Amino acid sequence: GAGVSQTPSNKVTEKGKYVELRCDPISGHTALYWYRQSLGQGPEFLIYFQGTGAADDSGLPNDRFFAVRPEGSVSTLKIQRTERGDSAVYLCASSSTPTTGELFFGEGSRLTVL
Amino acid sequence: AQSVTQPDIHITVSEGASLELRCNYSYGATPYLFWYVQSPGQGLQLLLKYFSGDTLVQGIKGFEAEFKRSQSSFNLRKPSVHWSDAAEYFCAVINTGTASKLTFGTGTRLQVTL
Repeated sequence: GAGVSQTPSNKVTEKGKYVELRCDPISGHTALYWYRQSLGQGPEFLIYFQGTGAADDSGLPNDRFFAVRPEGSVSTLKIQRTERGDSAVYLCASSSTPTTGELFFGEGSRLTVL
Repeated sequence: AQSVTQPDIHITVSEGASLELRCNYSYGATPYLFWYVQSPGQGLQLLLKYFSGDTLVQGIKGFEAEFKRSQSSFNLRKPSVHWSDAAEYFCAVINTGTASKLTFGTGTRLQVTL
């Protein structure tokens, strides 16, 4: 498809489990971002990739969160030992012009930790 | 650090009425400012942006916004609202010259009555 694709759209897991969320950006977009949106809040920045490398991971809340983008395209957000507070919608965005703030967002992956 | 305030959590307008959504920012220099819209089942979509120059910017779907430095505001307006405009609207700011960390407000949910 032409847009940013995220899978799964919904994920329900139990506290303590490991979760992976996948993002397939728009073809040719070198910049990829992960945001987290909690209920009633705006999206909060997690991490930004330029190509294969994480250019800014200052938004990751703790070391249970990790993201990779090994070939500069698809990215995976990994959450270890999930906690109930991790429940949120995880948004992925990509851009061909990262310094302009013009991001194209996917529909998000809704994570529920029971 | 930059921040964005959207004082109205929820606004209801009648179809055909005019709309103004408020946004105030806190940032030392001239920021890059954005409005994004999030419709149910869709990803965040960029409505319009301000970088510099003319303080009245036009966006998609008939929206416009005015940057007022003296008031640290970037309010979104539309002369005549359509039922399809019902959605959540987010104001955002980015550090000029950086490639990450769009900072979003908490959003304003717009309801349109027929």
